[in-house]
Amino acid sequence: DQQVKQNSPSLSVQEGRISILNCDYTNSMFDYFLWYKKYPAEGPTFLISISSIKDKNEDGRFTVFLNKSAKHLSLHIVPSQPGDSAVYFCAASAPASKLTFGTGTRLQVTL
Amino acid sequence: GAGVSQSPSNKVTEKGKDVELRCDPISGHTALYWYRQSLGQGLEFLIYFQGNSAPDKSGLPSDRFSAERTGGSVSTLTIQRTQQEDSAVYLCASSSIGGWGPGANVLTFGAGSRLTVL
Repeated sequence: DQQVKQNSPSLSVQEGRISILNCDYTNSMFDYFLWYKKYPAEGPTFLISISSIKDKNEDGRFTVFLNKSAKHLSLHIVPSQPGDSAVYFCAASAPASKLTFGTGTRLQVTL
Repeated sequence: GAGVSQSPSNKVTEKGKDVELRCDPISGHTALYWYRQSLGQGLEFLIYFQGNSAPDKSGLPSDRFSAERTGGSVSTLTIQRTQQEDSAVYLCASSSIGGWGPGANVLTFGAGSRLTVL
């Protein structure tokens, strides 16, 4: 039972354009959401998070949007840079519960 | 240390053999987690240690899997009688905040140990 779904296994975007990575969840108890970024041969690193009391959180070029009614969140990267090429994992947690990760989306930013 | 260290980085073993994977968390981090990523899957929670509390073993897939954490620092994940479906990247993470919740969910991961069972 995949409670956190990233339906796009890969995405290719030109440098300078916007990258939009999507994530859907099924558990209505989830109240905290995170994005992790993973380069090859490295562990995932924390990127940005959002609490369910918000619908938007911004950190530099990265913005996460949360639509609770649709159980959907997205990560926007503007402008995209070649160094953003990585696998992005969406994760969610319910109160006092462990993180549940999605399967990841591989982003390729082309020149 | 500066980051979470895992060893070995790669391990190839024959079906039926036992393997041990080691994790050295960030110094001072009280919480330690093991996850694994199988091909095409997300990160699957295995086990969680917090201080001297009993570990949360709810994610271990079978009794062939066990883990210990000695002295509140280094952890070893042991897989007995390995099967081909155990092939995955095993990731260790640590956090300065225990439990589950906003601050605790910001985990620092190691680079992982890639296990291949032939």
